[in-house]
Amino acid sequence: DSGVTQTPKHLITATGQRVTLRCSPRSGDLSVYWYQQSLDQGLQFLIQYYNGEERAKGNILERFSAQQFPDLHSELNLSSLELGDSALYFCASSQPPTGEQETQYFGPGTRLLVL
Amino acid sequence: SQQGEEDPQALSIQEGENATMNCSYKTSINNLQWYRQNSGRGLVHLILIRSNEREKHSGRLRVTLDTSKKSSSLLITASRAADTASYFCATDANSGNTPLVFGKGTRLSVIA
Repeated sequence: DSGVTQTPKHLITATGQRVTLRCSPRSGDLSVYWYQQSLDQGLQFLIQYYNGEERAKGNILERFSAQQFPDLHSELNLSSLELGDSALYFCASSQPPTGEQETQYFGPGTRLLVL
Repeated sequence: SQQGEEDPQALSIQEGENATMNCSYKTSINNLQWYRQNSGRGLVHLILIRSNEREKHSGRLRVTLDTSKKSSSLLITASRAADTASYFCATDANSGNTPLVFGKGTRLSVIA
């Protein structure tokens, strides 16, 4: 158990809908990262938050947004869902970066299926 | 763009054999990490090697890093069926607060 929790575990929804994925980082970790993993694209970095502020942005679509709250949990919002958004979404957390990336601890993931 | 790329994409070996996976990357790095993922589960950190290190061991794992060739290898000795998983290398570019970039992984199957 990494100490990172994600809810829900599974999500089935229809195209055009909006969903929210939730992540609670390990105790003491200030950085939260979101990744998308699909069969053909591998593990894609979406976005990173550090202590409530956006830190780095990857291949995140404009239809997707995220935030990190004062209690450090984070939410990833996916809107206007398309079939291609079906994937595993992972959250990871780490200690504050000091100019280089340290170990990331991954949650169990949310499996999203868009029908 | 992919920073790290693993080779081979898939590897199948018998229990007790050694498994070697390779990772190549493009830019200079601060460190390189290896992660493991069981099917459909979250990634688990295995080992981190810094750019000034050449080799590191952890149990049955041995990681090497050659910064001149921009490559790393992960060796799993005396493999077990439970080692069946996908293995990913992850690198950080040596420039500020860049996030980790993962390769597409090597899928290892250990046959009992």
